[in-house]
Amino acid sequence: GNSVTQMEGPVTLSEEAFLTINCTYTATGYPSLFWYVQYPGEGLQLLLKATKADDKGSNKGFEATYRKETTSFHLEKGSVQVSDSAVYFCALIVGGSNYKLTFGKGTLLTVNP
Amino acid sequence: NAGVTQTPKFQVLKTGQSMTLQCAQDMNHEYMSWYRQDPGMGLRLIHYSVGAGITDQGEVPNGYNVSRSTTEDFPLRLLSAAPSQTSVYFCASSSGTGPYEQYFGPGTRLTVT
Repeated sequence: GNSVTQMEGPVTLSEEAFLTINCTYTATGYPSLFWYVQYPGEGLQLLLKATKADDKGSNKGFEATYRKETTSFHLEKGSVQVSDSAVYFCALIVGGSNYKLTFGKGTLLTVNP
Repeated sequence: NAGVTQTPKFQVLKTGQSMTLQCAQDMNHEYMSWYRQDPGMGLRLIHYSVGAGITDQGEVPNGYNVSRSTTEDFPLRLLSAAPSQTSVYFCASSSGTGPYEQYFGPGTRLTVT
């Protein structure tokens, strides 16, 4: 089956620190990969995506590269802000699987001023 | 576009009561799904639909019913609420074409006492 493993939180950083949240996956088939973000009290928002090997998704200063050889999709940001405090979910979907998203358990990020 | 909307935002039920969580989308998406979010568990798929009149079970379907009579609406029914169904429920929709990213509603926080 499909599965996503992401680093356990919580992660606490100071403003302007470098962020990495690790994500690895297993998939039966060729997945598309996503990072979703959930701000406090809100639903999930798509942060970035990548659909094939070596693709780099980017948005709002966040980046993640689809690494097929290591089955990874690590999220990075060079300089985090207090407003980045949220829960981040790595997810995958395999085309032809009736569109079922498989999520990691989420990583809580807190950024202190 | 309102995107994906959910009502109510909050609900408290007593054990044994029934209720329907409403979900609607105005993006003409074929695919809709329901997830529940529990601490440390990530998001788990309850039921999904690939089009009007077609529904199927996800990972945790017990205690829930769905139907899809129109493209826009996908209600989730709790038949006889149990404390184990205390959770935050999210509805999502997708166009069903690659790369299959899903758009989420704001969620319904349900407490069963």
